[in-house]
This record gives sequence, C-alpha cells and structure tokens, in this order.
Amino acid sequence: EVQLLESGGGLVQPGGSPRLSCATSGFTFSNFAMNWVRQAPGKGLEWVASITGIGRTTYYADSVKGRVTISRDNSNNTLHLQMNSLRPDDTAVYYCARSSGNNWRLFDYWGQGTLVTVSS
Amino acid sequence: DIVMTQSPDSLAVSLGERATINCKSGQSVLYTSSNKNYLAWYQQKAGQPPKLLIYWASTRESGVPDRFSGSGSGTDFTLTISSLQAEDVAVYYCQQYYTTPQTFGQGTKVEIK
Repeated sequence: EVQLLESGGGLVQPGGSPRLSCATSGFTFSNFAMNWVRQAPGKGLEWVASITGIGRTTYYADSVKGRVTISRDNSNNTLHLQMNSLRPDDTAVYYCARSSGNNWRLFDYWGQGTLVTVSS
Repeated sequence: DIVMTQSPDSLAVSLGERATINCKSGQSVLYTSSNKNYLAWYQQKAGQPPKLLIYWASTRESGVPDRFSGSGSGTDFTLTISSLQAEDVAVYYCQQYYTTPQTFGQGTKVEIK
C-alpha cells in the first residue's frame, strides 16, 4: 500500500525557513517523480514543486521560485521541501504527491498534508 | 500559464440524480500526436487530500466507481456523476497536465439537495 506522510509544518514567523519532509513507503521511491502541492485555507490547489526520480531535475512554480528547494533522499525514501523567506500568503496545507507513471505532472497518490501557518 | 475554469462553483443534486461539472482550459490540452487530452479530475472530501478520479479526460483510475465518467476534448471537458450517492459529497477539481505549471480549476462543490 502506497503511503505518504508529511511532517515539519507549524507556526512560522514571516521570513522563517521551515523544512518539510514526506516519508514514503509501499513503492519503489526512486522510480517516481515527486511533488509538493499546496492549498491555502478554504482555497483551491496550487502546484509548488516537482523533482524527477533520481533527483537530477527540479521544477518550481513562479510563486515560490528562488525561495524553496525540493530535494529527495532515495536511500531513505523521503522527499523534502526547504522553504525560505516565508510570507503570510505561503500559509497553506502542503501536500506531498507522487507522480503517476502515466505522466509526471499527474498526481496519483497524496499524503494527508502538513499545515504551515506564517504569522507573527 | 493555462487557466482552468470550472462551472458551476457549486451545485446541489438529489440523491440518485445526475451531477455535471464543466471545465474549460485557456488553451487546448490535446496532444495531437497521441490524440490524448492531458486533463484529470480529482475529488476532495472534507478534511482529506485530493483523490485522482479520472485522467486522459476519460480514463477512470483503478477502483473508481463507474458512475463517474469524464468526457470532452481540446478545451472543454465534463465530469459526470450518473447517480449521486451520499459519499460523493466533495469538491471536484480539474487539472491540466499538458504543460508546466500544471494548473487546477478553482473547484466545484457538490452537495445533496
């Protein structure tokens, strides 16, 4: 059974730098691209970042480019999102999502999410 | 960026009746060489993460009930729930995966009338 479990969220001061993690199990982690997708409270879904299976290539939404870094540890089946210079409008539930084998931009499994609240 | 626009924003349907949600993309998401539409639908129940329902515009994900169907091509797509069940109460999102950034519609809330 595919499982994704995010951690690292919480209350963060503006300008803060939390690191989110996503522990995975139930599939061969290195065979799949991985992603972060966020959802502001009461709002819709916004893709944040993606990384290829071996971690060689990354992609970022313009809204976070230069402020976040996606990475992965294939030896520990874990995905990370290092966030920097956070702003109040970064407040959201951050979901870890696996890319489908059909297309890397399609998301077939999602974690439960971790809430990041940016506030002083 | 490809803008995805859903309609309506919400709808209330009686149990057992049909629910129809529309999604329009700002440009075609049909990849002509493969004749595939890079359009997916997700279901998000309250307090839960999204769940992939349909991809390639009309292919149901494994385990998705056959009362869910997707149709359309190019820029105009539809998700149909043929006979609404209580467990279908959720927000539904369309997503294009034709190009980066992959983008979602604003969501359509489906409730029981």
